[in-house]
Amino acid sequence: LAKTTQPISMDSYEGQEVNITCSHNNIATNDYITWYQQFPSQGPRFIIQGYKTKVTNEVASLFIPADRKSSTLSLPRVSLSDTAVYYCLVGVQSNTGFQKLVFGTGTRLLVSP
Amino acid sequence: GAVVSQHPSRVICKSGTSVKIECRSLDFQATTMFWYRQFPKKSLMLMATSNEGSKATYEQGVEKDKFLINHASLTLSTLTVTSAHPEDSSFYICSAIHRDSYEQYFGPGTRLTVT
Repeated sequence: LAKTTQPISMDSYEGQEVNITCSHNNIATNDYITWYQQFPSQGPRFIIQGYKTKVTNEVASLFIPADRKSSTLSLPRVSLSDTAVYYCLVGVQSNTGFQKLVFGTGTRLLVSP
Repeated sequence: GAVVSQHPSRVICKSGTSVKIECRSLDFQATTMFWYRQFPKKSLMLMATSNEGSKATYEQGVEKDKFLINHASLTLSTLTVTSAHPEDSSFYICSAIHRDSYEQYFGPGTRLTVT
């Protein structure tokens, strides 16, 4: 399983764009990149998933360079409610089922007024 | 969207007793479920992989006789913490793999406190 490295913590202010970068140098060809958000005492919540280039949904964008050794989660115009821990994971999605996910340290994002 | 529930949401038990935690996929079938444990301000740690109709696969360092896992149906997996001790106090989270889409959905977690 590819290991991921993220900053331990980040601080931001309301209305700013936040970019969290994750390194996964040993990512395998079949690995997808997935980001989860977790609030205290809650289970992780899926944010976005991608394989290469750029993926955008209603809450975030995911930028993946051509070598796929890193990825950047972009949160536009964060609000106080975006204060949470963000996890970057890599895992294989196959026709026999999703490979088990190994969570790294995550990035603790604190959004201030 | 797919929903995974856990019951109970929080439980307090005395040292030496056993506690069962249920993980249910409410609107989809899951052939595979995972159990995680999370200590305060720490990341999720995978404990075991639960497959319907077969024995669970435990991660290194996780005692299978202490953490009993049963995946009796495509919508239910249970984790039983046997002879619980205060050091077992933690936040236990399950996730389920959608049988058709292979997407993974997490439950809300169960807070276990052993006194």
